Amino acid sequence: GAVVSQHPSRVICKSGTSVKIECRSLDFQATTMFWYRQFPKKSLMLMATSNEGSKATYEQGVEKDKFLINHASLTLSTLTVTSAHPEDSSFYICSARIPGLAADTQYFGPGTRLTVL
Amino acid sequence: AQKVTQAQTEISVVEKEDVTLDCVYETRDTTYYLFWYKQPPSGELVFLIRRNSFDEQNEISGRYSWNFQKSTSSFNFTITASQVVDSAVYFCALSGNRDDKIIFGKGTRLHILP
Repeated sequence: GAVVSQHPSRVICKSGTSVKIECRSLDFQATTMFWYRQFPKKSLMLMATSNEGSKATYEQGVEKDKFLINHASLTLSTLTVTSAHPEDSSFYICSARIPGLAADTQYFGPGTRLTVL
Repeated sequence: AQKVTQAQTEISVVEKEDVTLDCVYETRDTTYYLFWYKQPPSGELVFLIRRNSFDEQNEISGRYSWNFQKSTSSFNFTITASQVVDSAVYFCALSGNRDDKIIFGKGTRLHILP
């Protein structure tokens, strides 16, 4: 099946710094990618929908200036957590949709665990 | 509004027992998709099944089976002869036909005891 990678898999940073997480579709082009956030022992919450070449669509309650999303190519979307704070510590998962297929076809990355000290 | 409810927060069973994970959904879409994912301790989501709303046939894959009942808006998942390796968090999820968003339930943490 289709493969989606994320980098880094794990990152620890100091409070106040910015962290960039990459999501890549390895063997297909993804016009749409999604970013989810998962707190410990909680469900996945959709943060935003990333469309190649246009601005991301953020879910209600997600700060767009805090979580910058860039989808500059058909195989790469990046999520930058700006001025990170300990409450931003979470598991971030991306997914990518294969264009032309049914809306149900999404492939998930392995996730990035962010710890902000 | 779309919603997925997994009422069972945590379940523990002894190995080799059968276990059913419940999932109830709400949607106004006429066409929609239902999913089950497994999330082991490593965190990576493992896709288990996708079912569209027009296909109510139950499905069996090895020890796994799914019961889709539109009349009760349920999509339950049964593991037969459970094994310790089945221990994980299982998420039921829903996607409508208006957008590509996948809405996840809160998950059921399954413990299979040796």
